[in-house]
Amino acid sequence: QKEVEQNSGPLSVPEGAIASLNCTYSDRGSQSFFWYRQYSGKSPELIMFIYSNGDKEDGRFTAQLNKASQYVSLLIRDSQPSDSATYLCAVRLEASGSARQLTFGSGTQLTVLP
Amino acid sequence: SAVISQKPSRDICQRGTSLTIQCQVDSQVTMMFWYRQQPGQSLTLIATANQGSEATYESGFVIDKFPISRPNLTFSTLTVSNMSPEDSSIYLCSVGQGVNYGYTFGSGTRLTVV
Repeated sequence: QKEVEQNSGPLSVPEGAIASLNCTYSDRGSQSFFWYRQYSGKSPELIMFIYSNGDKEDGRFTAQLNKASQYVSLLIRDSQPSDSATYLCAVRLEASGSARQLTFGSGTQLTVLP
Repeated sequence: SAVISQKPSRDICQRGTSLTIQCQVDSQVTMMFWYRQQPGQSLTLIATANQGSEATYESGFVIDKFPISRPNLTFSTLTVSNMSPEDSSIYLCSVGQGVNYGYTFGSGTRLTVV
């Protein structure tokens, strides 16, 4: 079983709709969760991170975390064509002696249709 | 967040040669990592660059192939040694500044081995 799993997509939504991106993780000890956006040919760009159960909102983006279900999601409201990119979910396991590196999912390719 | 300068941005190299990639950060950071992203794939951690000591390598990556230096808290290098076409990939430097911050990526080095 992969440590971090995402639906590879591609996911297409019309402009103005809500895009929902999902991620599950296998290690119950995982503490922090990150969403990155990566445009083709560019490096990943941090959108937001979350470490407490519940929702965290930043502009049009909302991250949702449910540790009991080992599930984290990213909602993009009022999707724009400029949101078309690959979205990467990453997980950090914080343990004594750990270097706190991130483990990435395979990414979900999102296309927002004008 | 930290600003990272990664060089070179791209290179085409002959098989059997070596390439050294540099990562310079504009502030002192506690954590520095090197990732590889093969075409169409997600990010795979190569190693954690430790300041003043040997890097910590992930399974499947060895120091002889990917020697890493980190002489201080703002600079690191990754060398890809004795290159083969299978090493063609994007190599990314990433830094972290603490548990309440996300991780930032450099712009990446696109390596092609011919």
